Amino acid sequence: DAGVIQSPRHEVTEMGQEVTLRCKPISGHNSLFWYRQTMMRGLELLIYFNNNVPIDDSGMPEDRFSAKMPNASFSTLKIQPSEPRDSAVYFCASSLRTVFGYTFGSGTRLTVV
Amino acid sequence: GENVEQHPSTLSVQEGDSAVIKCTYSDSASNYFPWYKQELGKRPQLIIDIRSNVGEKKDQRIAVTLNKTAKHFSLHITETQPEDSAVYFCAANSGYALNFGKGTSLLVTP
Repeated sequence: DAGVIQSPRHEVTEMGQEVTLRCKPISGHNSLFWYRQTMMRGLELLIYFNNNVPIDDSGMPEDRFSAKMPNASFSTLKIQPSEPRDSAVYFCASSLRTVFGYTFGSGTRLTVV
Repeated sequence: GENVEQHPSTLSVQEGDSAVIKCTYSDSASNYFPWYKQELGKRPQLIIDIRSNVGEKKDQRIAVTLNKTAKHFSLHITETQPEDSAVYFCAANSGYALNFGKGTSLLVTP
């Protein structure tokens, strides 16, 4: 099992550009979560999906952020347009039906200049 | 999401001493309380968890305690070693999602 796979590992982009982060959950897991980690705010839950359906997106900071899960093996988090305050590490995690066995990916370190 | 408060934010101990990290939560429906360890530049990894039907769980040098009435839970690390140095996060579930505390940076000095 390759675990939760995120890409890219690092992304540097200019303010105003569109950024797309990608996640492949563990095969068979049907819950997927996107988190943002910063020194000031810690690990913030942005959105989570159950069986590819968004369940709670109350953590998405604003309309510039959107997330999709077109199938059970792929999800994207998009920021358009990006701003310097979006700089953070974005983690994806997946689990099987419940919070037990919650596993994180390696994260994407995003820098917006 | 529901609030999880974690203290202290930083903790420095000497090798061999014990370390205690405390968390409180607000969602009375929470029934699962994991602890994650995150080393620099790495992903958070589960080290121990406790469910609401027990008050204490131990795994070698680490233990967790839970007081559901007071809505607080704690992580105890005994006989600390330099390799225990990391950031530790507590979490409590809200439905199928985990809400995390802001983390405790633990430094174990030889």
